[in-house]
Amino acid sequence: AQSVTQLDSHVSVSEGTPVLLRCNYSSSYSPSLFWYVQHPNKGLQLLLKYTSAATLVKGINGFEAEFKKSETSFHLTKPSAHMSDAAEYFCVVILNTGFQKLVFGTGTRLLVSP
Amino acid sequence: NAGVTQTPKFQVLKTGQSMTLQCAQDMNHEYMSWYRQDPGMGLRLIHYSVGAGITDQGEVPNGYNVSRSTTEDFPLRLLSAAPSQTSVYFCASSYATGSSYNSPLHFGNGTRLTVT
Repeated sequence: AQSVTQLDSHVSVSEGTPVLLRCNYSSSYSPSLFWYVQHPNKGLQLLLKYTSAATLVKGINGFEAEFKKSETSFHLTKPSAHMSDAAEYFCVVILNTGFQKLVFGTGTRLLVSP
Repeated sequence: NAGVTQTPKFQVLKTGQSMTLQCAQDMNHEYMSWYRQDPGMGLRLIHYSVGAGITDQGEVPNGYNVSRSTTEDFPLRLLSAAPSQTSVYFCASSYATGSSYNSPLHFGNGTRLTVT
């Protein structure tokens, strides 16, 4: 079975400092992984997706994530937080190779203080 | 393009009432789905459809019905609302390429439902 675990329910950073949102997955084969972001009262928006061609994936708004098979991790990072980054972030794994069988993590709420 | 449009944005129901949550997309997406979002539980799939006339159950289908008479619309029906159905509901769509990896979901802005 495949699943995804987001290790922190809340992360607080100051504006201008680095962001690290952690995600671990379990999968019996090479997974497909995504990060989505949800701003208040909005739907989810795709940040980035893992491609087997590169372990370091760049997304929108300066975010990137590194796939580490040995650690079964897909952590999301950003060098310098901006106030507009305050949102909830979801790590998502595809359940199987079938269509749209997505498993969402429980989410990490990022708080950015001035 | 308007993308994925959900109506209403907010709804309050009494236990036992019925209602329909509307979802429409103008991107000609074959795949549409409904999720519910509850605190600490992420998003859970209720029902989905891979094309007009085709629907299937997701992870938490009980208490909900769907139909897909057109490519654009995918309404979610609550036949007899219960307090356990208090949640935020999201409709999402994507292209049906046969590989969900290549077809990221496009989400609506959600419907916040309260059942008293």
